Amino acid sequence: EDQVTQSPEALRLQEGESSSLNCSYTVSGLRGLFWYRQDPGKGPEFLFTLYSAGEEKEKERLKATLTKKESFLHITAPKPEDSATYLCAGANAGNNRKLIWGLGTSLAVNP
Amino acid sequence: NAGVTQTPKFQVLKTGQSMTLQCAQDMNHEYMSWYRQDPGMGLRLIHYSVGAGITDQGEVPNGYNVSRSTTEDFPLRLLSAAPSQTSVYFCASSGTGGTQYFGPGTRLLVL
Repeated sequence: EDQVTQSPEALRLQEGESSSLNCSYTVSGLRGLFWYRQDPGKGPEFLFTLYSAGEEKEKERLKATLTKKESFLHITAPKPEDSATYLCAGANAGNNRKLIWGLGTSLAVNP
Repeated sequence: NAGVTQTPKFQVLKTGQSMTLQCAQDMNHEYMSWYRQDPGMGLRLIHYSVGAGITDQGEVPNGYNVSRSTTEDFPLRLLSAAPSQTSVYFCASSGTGGTQYFGPGTRLLVL
């Protein structure tokens, strides 16, 4: 059965303290690994899509990487406005529209 | 572009009442879907559509109906609301690339 597991469930950082969020997946014939950000009371906001092992994508303080078993979301020198829940999802070979979602990592960045 | 819009933002229902959650997108996306999000359960797929006139069940379809008469609109109907349907509902749409874009959500409380 396809599965996506995110860790840790929650992470608290000091402003400027870099860290990484993990997304482990067992998705048959991965057709894409997606990262989203979700602020309280809002819908998930798309960040990145990774398609193959070794691929990396960056946006401001965020960098997403992909291996054959997991993806990491690296946050460099985070700011309080980076506080949010980060969601990871995988698309399998059968249907790249029906995503398999992780439960998310809740990130809090203290000033 | 407004992207994905949802109405209402918040609704209170009594058990047994019916209602329709509205979703519209202006990106000409073929794929649209409805999710519910509950604490500790993550995003769960209710129903989805791959184009006008075509719908299918997701992970948790019981108690919900959908139809897709146009590319733009994908309403979700609750026929007889139950307290277990208290949740936050998100509509999403995607094009051929598979990236899903979410609406702002509808918060539903069933008493």
